[in-house]
Amino acid sequence: KQEVTQIPAALSVPEGENLVLNCSFTDSAIYNLQWFRQDPGKGLTSLLLIQSSQREQTSGRLNASLDKSSGRSTLYIAASQPGDSATYLCAVRPREGGSEKLVFGKGTKLTVNP
Amino acid sequence: KAGVTQTPRYLIKTRGQQVTLSCSPISGHRSVSWYQQTPGQGLQFLFEYFSETQRNKGNFPGRFSGRQFSNSRSEMNVSTLELGDSALYLCASSLGTKMGTGELFFGEGSRLTVL
Repeated sequence: KQEVTQIPAALSVPEGENLVLNCSFTDSAIYNLQWFRQDPGKGLTSLLLIQSSQREQTSGRLNASLDKSSGRSTLYIAASQPGDSATYLCAVRPREGGSEKLVFGKGTKLTVNP
Repeated sequence: KAGVTQTPRYLIKTRGQQVTLSCSPISGHRSVSWYQQTPGQGLQFLFEYFSETQRNKGNFPGRFSGRQFSNSRSEMNVSTLELGDSALYLCASSLGTKMGTGELFFGEGSRLTVL
């Protein structure tokens, strides 16, 4: 059974700092991994999608890496801003079951202080 | 291009009642998935529909059901509501045509409170 873990559960940093969020998963048989952002009481906003054959994806100040063999992904946020404060969720798409099912971690709650 | 639309956004029900939630996917997307989000369990997969057929189902009791219409819009129903069904219900859409490779896009969710 695929399990996804995100560490730390919460992180508080001063504005301008570069930071890394970690995600690990137990089964390397995945189609892809997707990072999301969730603001309080809101839905999920897709940040980056990394296919299983890729090593990393970049979008603006965000860079996500994937090491499928070790079951790890990181989300790097450069020059953090207060507007980056949110919960960041990592999700994998298992090959087992063959559908659009995602398995999520519990998230990392990020607070960027001005 | 409109995103994923969920209705209603908020609703309050009492135990024993039933509820129906609606989801309109992004135009052209044929796959609709449903997730339940609670503080204790996080995000859990309920089921996925593609071309009006359920392709996958999570580990939820039979009180949770869904369907998809020919225009790809989907509904989920929860019967005989329990206090533990209070949650944010999120709908996601994707193209769904190339198995497992597409990006999922989520709606704002329907916040259900059961009293």
